[in-house]
Amino acid sequence: GNSVTQMEGPVTLSEEAFLTINCTYTATGYPSLFWYVQYPGEGLQLLLKATKADDKGSNKGFEATYRKETTSFHLEKGSVQVSDSAVYFCALGGASGGSYIPTFGRGTSLIVHP
Amino acid sequence: DVKVTQSSRYLVKRTGEKVFLECVQDMDHENMFWYRQDPGLGLRLIYFSYDVKMKEKGDIPEGYSVSREKKERFSLILESASTNQTSMYLCASSPVQARDGYTFGSGTRLTVV
Repeated sequence: GNSVTQMEGPVTLSEEAFLTINCTYTATGYPSLFWYVQYPGEGLQLLLKATKADDKGSNKGFEATYRKETTSFHLEKGSVQVSDSAVYFCALGGASGGSYIPTFGRGTSLIVHP
Repeated sequence: DVKVTQSSRYLVKRTGEKVFLECVQDMDHENMFWYRQDPGLGLRLIYFSYDVKMKEKGDIPEGYSVSREKKERFSLILESASTNQTSMYLCASSPVQARDGYTFGSGTRLTVV
């Protein structure tokens, strides 16, 4: 079956530091890959997506590249802000392996200090 | 802007009550999902619906049922609420292929006392 593994948190950084949150996946077929962000007390919001190998998704300074050879989709940002503090979820979906049910990682909490 | 609306942000219910959580989407999506989210456990799928009146059990369906009488509405029912069902409940929807992702509601924080 499909699975997503992401690094455990919390990740604690100072403002303007470089961010990487690792995500690797196992899937059959050709899934889409996603990063979602969840602010305290809110639902999940789509941050960025990539629908095929070598695609780079980007939004609000965050980037992730769909790497089929390493089955990875690591999230990066060059300079984090306090307002980026949230929980980040890596996910795969898009009818992979005959299933319409997405697979989510456990989430990684990011804390950014001023 | 596309939207998934959950009827309540916060809900407090008593043990043994029958509880209805409502979710409405305005995007004509075929797929709808109910998750619960607990600290350290991530998102756990309760039920999934891929069409009107169609449903599939997820990972933790015990103690829950669902109803999808209209395409835009997916209801989660706690037949007899218990304290271990205190949680954050998230509804999501997507088109069939979902190549561009899933849209979530804002969540309902349910407390059972």
